[in-house]
Amino acid sequence: DTAVSQTPKYLVTQMGNDKSIKCEQNLGHDTMYWYKQDSKKFLKIMFSYNNKELIINETVPNRFSPKSPDKAHLNLHINSLELGDSAVYFCASRNNQRETQYFGPGTRLLVL
Amino acid sequence: KQEVTQIPAALSVPEGENLVLNCSFTDSAIYNLQWFRQDPGKGLTSLLLIQSSQREQTSGRLNASLDKSSGRSTLYIAASQPGDSATYLCAVRRVFYGNNRLAFGKGNQVVVIP
Repeated sequence: DTAVSQTPKYLVTQMGNDKSIKCEQNLGHDTMYWYKQDSKKFLKIMFSYNNKELIINETVPNRFSPKSPDKAHLNLHINSLELGDSAVYFCASRNNQRETQYFGPGTRLLVL
Repeated sequence: KQEVTQIPAALSVPEGENLVLNCSFTDSAIYNLQWFRQDPGKGLTSLLLIQSSQREQTSGRLNASLDKSSGRSTLYIAASQPGDSATYLCAVRRVFYGNNRLAFGKGNQVVVIP
């Protein structure tokens, strides 16, 4: 069974469009994260939610809006996509009693 | 601001050789350090986690050491196998109450040649 899943796996879209990426974890974890890995392979945190509440919001354009409908889901909506948004977006989750984060397979976003 | 550097960026070794991957970080006030493995087209898998009070952790052929005062960690992989080919990422958790913010390096891209 997949622990942390993301949909879609690949996303190719035009500049200016609005798109969403979904993440679900079936581990019963309390905290979920969104990371961005750019073309230079740097992995940077974007957002973190704990029990549906936002606890980390790094310097990310407000075109990016996370939404956590429940503890098992953390979705990422991106408005007015730009070329620089092209990257791999990873979702992760963690049990608050433990340190290890579990990552999803990533969503490869290409903005044309 | 915590900066994490990994050297070398890429390396190739023949099967059977030992691998030595280096990670350095600028702020020694860390809570813990983790090594992850990333396979092409896949997510990250946690390999080892070292708490700031620990000097090393071992799992099978993997051994990670931590020298917090000098801001360094080393991942040793003994008797490398082609299946060890992947990118290895080092990440440090900064000491910051209330969150689990990780700062990642760019990774060591490893190819083990059969």
